[in-house]
Amino acid sequence: QVTLKESGPALVNPTQTLTLTCTFSGFSLSTSGQRVTWIRQPPGKALEWLARIDWDDDKFYSTSLRTRLAISKDTSKNQVVLTMTNVDPVDTATYYCARVAYSGSSIWFDPWGQGTLVTVSS
Amino acid sequence: QTVVTQEPAYSVSPGGTVTLTCGLNSASVSTGHYPSWYQQTPGQAPRTLIYSTNVRSSGVPDRFSGYILGNKAALTITGARADDESDYYCALYMGGGISVFGGGTKLTVL
Repeated sequence: QVTLKESGPALVNPTQTLTLTCTFSGFSLSTSGQRVTWIRQPPGKALEWLARIDWDDDKFYSTSLRTRLAISKDTSKNQVVLTMTNVDPVDTATYYCARVAYSGSSIWFDPWGQGTLVTVSS
Repeated sequence: QTVVTQEPAYSVSPGGTVTLTCGLNSASVSTGHYPSWYQQTPGQAPRTLIYSTNVRSSGVPDRFSGYILGNKAALTITGARADDESDYYCALYMGGGISVFGGGTKLTVL
């Protein structure tokens, strides 16, 4: 059974760097084809795809946020870390990690973690 | 700037049929975008309904179907039930490792 769980600070000051950790089980990011993604959702708003890391350490970022995001993995700990620099109150959101399921070239997000709410405020 | 468009809101009567769509501002949606659909109820993480345009995720009833409708991806719900009242999001794969979500559709069943 694949499970993922996000962790990180509930409150971050503006201009600081946000660090979120996704701890997963049921698969290994050292196995070919495995990928993990981060997605966020501001309160009452839509989902926004943020970043993805692949088993071969390929990394991909949202065009609009790429200068502020960094994604990394620790395969020994089954963790993926997302950092976001220079946060602003508009970055207040529930942050989800999800496994990127795949079949051939097709990808989708399943399952998802429960999400962690991050508030950016002074 | 890639924008994925969805109807902001839709209403359907219990037992009725509704079709939600997922479009692109600058191109047609095709199977090569591998459209996927997610259902989200308040306070919960999204749940996968459909992937690869038309494949139902495990446990999803056949009342939900996905397909390409003209230049958009579509999700049809037949025999709508009260517990279908949710937010529905589509996601498209744009290539180069990039995915984009639509703005979501709030479905009301009444």
